[in-house]
Amino acid sequence: EAGVAQSPRYKIIEKRQSVAFWCNPISGHATLYWYQQILGQGPKLLIQFQNNGVVDDSQLPKDRFSAERLKGVDSTLKIQPAKLEDSAVYLCASSTSTSGSYNEQFFGPGTRLTVL
Amino acid sequence: AQKITQTQPGMFVQEKEAVTLDCTYDTSDPSYGLFWYKQPSSGEMIFLIYQGSYDQQNATEGRYSLNFQKARKSANLVISASQLGDSAMYFCAWTYGGSQGNLIFGKGTKLSVKP
Repeated sequence: EAGVAQSPRYKIIEKRQSVAFWCNPISGHATLYWYQQILGQGPKLLIQFQNNGVVDDSQLPKDRFSAERLKGVDSTLKIQPAKLEDSAVYLCASSTSTSGSYNEQFFGPGTRLTVL
Repeated sequence: AQKITQTQPGMFVQEKEAVTLDCTYDTSDPSYGLFWYKQPSSGEMIFLIYQGSYDQQNATEGRYSLNFQKARKSANLVISASQLGDSAMYFCAWTYGGSQGNLIFGKGTKLSVKP
């Protein structure tokens, strides 16, 4: 079974530029998560999708970050414009869980973003 | 505020010995789940073990076991017979009834296994 795929693996941009990350979850997984992991910290949830609907985006900086999950499968996360403090690893995860149940989340390899 | 704490920024263990990584949490919610993930230098988060708040027995998965002490609100990870490949960051995480499955992570512990 293929795991969670993410691309690109690395990205370097100048501040105020735009960037987009792509995630393909495990086939059949209804729930998709985007996490931000700043160096030296644990991952922090940015947004959670259940199929193609947003379940939780309370920690997403909506003035610059946006995300979508078309057709309930692949997802993209965009930052526009990027700031220095956005330098982090962006992790995508998926699970079979529905709201309120506890199931393992499977993580992708992450995209390491450096903003100069 | 509901939170999760890992107090050990770094740990060293001799190969083949056991090591315990600490994790405490703070919640008044009766229903929650506790997870441990391993993050090697490659960056991917690898699921190790899960404990539900209503589980009567401590969870075990191969060389990993979870020392769950509900009254003390602790969920320590025990790795037996450490291997060089166990060197990595280890994150404790939890999800509670109101979080709809979202994981809340601690700051992690860096484990180094010495040959």
